[in-house]
Amino acid sequence: EDQVTQSPEALRLQEGESSSLNCSYTVSGLRGLFWYRQDPGKGPEFLFTLYSAGEEKEKERLKATLTKKESFLHITAPKPEDSATYLCAVQGALSGTYKYIFGTGTRLKVLA
Amino acid sequence: DAGITQSPRHKVTETGTPVTLRCHQTENHRYMYWYRQDPGHGLRLIHYSYGVKDTDKGEVSDGYSVSRSKTEDFLLTLESATSSQTSVYFCATHSMGNTEAFFGQGTRLTVV
Repeated sequence: EDQVTQSPEALRLQEGESSSLNCSYTVSGLRGLFWYRQDPGKGPEFLFTLYSAGEEKEKERLKATLTKKESFLHITAPKPEDSATYLCAVQGALSGTYKYIFGTGTRLKVLA
Repeated sequence: DAGITQSPRHKVTETGTPVTLRCHQTENHRYMYWYRQDPGHGLRLIHYSYGVKDTDKGEVSDGYSVSRSKTEDFLLTLESATSSQTSVYFCATHSMGNTEAFFGQGTRLTVV
């Protein structure tokens, strides 16, 4: 069964204090791993897609990396506006469909 | 961003009444999904569609039905609403296989 576990559940950082969020996954044939940002009262907003181990992608202060078992979302010198819930999702190839399996997210709070 | 509109945005209904939520997209995306989001559970798939009149069940489909008579519209129906169906419902779409999904703004449903 495809499964995604995110850690920590919640994280408080001071502005400028870099850190990483973890997404561990179990999937039968990875089609893709996706990172989303969700602000309160809104739908998830797409950040990155990673397809194979060793792949990395960057956007402003965010960098996503992928291994065969987990993905990290590195946040460098965060700002208060980076506060949000970050969601990880996977698509497994052997399910025969394009369903996304989501983790429960990491709630990030960046303090000024 | 994909043009995804969910309606209504908020609804309060009584136990036992039928409720229909609508998702409308303007991107001509083939795939559409209904998720529910609850604290501690993350996003869970209710039903999905891979084309007009082609739908299938997700992990939490009991008590829900869907219909897709046009590419742009995906309807979620609660035949007889229960308090356990109080949740935030999100619609998502994507165009091709292992690409990112785009989400609507969500519908907050309260069953009293």
